Amino acid sequence: AQTVTQSQPEMSVQEAETVTLSCTYDTSESDYYLFWYKQPPSRQMILVIRQEAYKQQNATENRFSVNFQKAAKSFSLKISDSQLGDAAMYFCAYRRAGAQKLVFGQGTRLTINP
Amino acid sequence: NAGVMQNPRHLVRRRGQEARLRCSPMKGHSHVYWYRQLPEEGLKFMVYLQKENIIDESGMPKERFSAEFPKEGPSILRIQQVVRGDSAAYFCASSHDSPLHFGNGTRLTVT
Repeated sequence: AQTVTQSQPEMSVQEAETVTLSCTYDTSESDYYLFWYKQPPSRQMILVIRQEAYKQQNATENRFSVNFQKAAKSFSLKISDSQLGDAAMYFCAYRRAGAQKLVFGQGTRLTINP
Repeated sequence: NAGVMQNPRHLVRRRGQEARLRCSPMKGHSHVYWYRQLPEEGLKFMVYLQKENIIDESGMPKERFSAEFPKEGPSILRIQQVVRGDSAAYFCASSHDSPLHFGNGTRLTVT
């Protein structure tokens, strides 16, 4: 069974600084997708960024980028120029290609210090 | 194009009552998923449905929980004889193809 592990229950960063959230996963599959979701206090689940495992190039979305290390099964999220609105729970998630369900990590609570 | 709509937003039930959670997928989406989030945890998959069919219910508890997605109307997650351990946020998501679009969840509190 696939598992996703986020080893940092909480992280904090100074506004305008850069922070990296860690995620590792375990799978025997070679084709899959990885995601980072943001969950603010409103509880809404917002897709931040997505990575296809067959792509070597790391995905980027504005201030958000990932470091995808397939051999190490690592998928970290870097947030540059942190803003107060980035404060939220962040969840890493995995989906096997051809499957429908997501497997989520336990989450990392990110605090932004003004 | 409205997003995934879940209602109610909050639901309080006494032990032994039934809880019905509703989810209307995004327009054009024929796949619906239910996830449960316990406090301070990630989301756990419960069930995946297409219209009138349950495709994968591997995450559903064996008793008291059921889900449907009828030809007309919203998807319903039904919990019979609720217990305190059922207190959680229940999320619905829909897709036509990747990625999933989530609703804002229903927070169920069992007193």
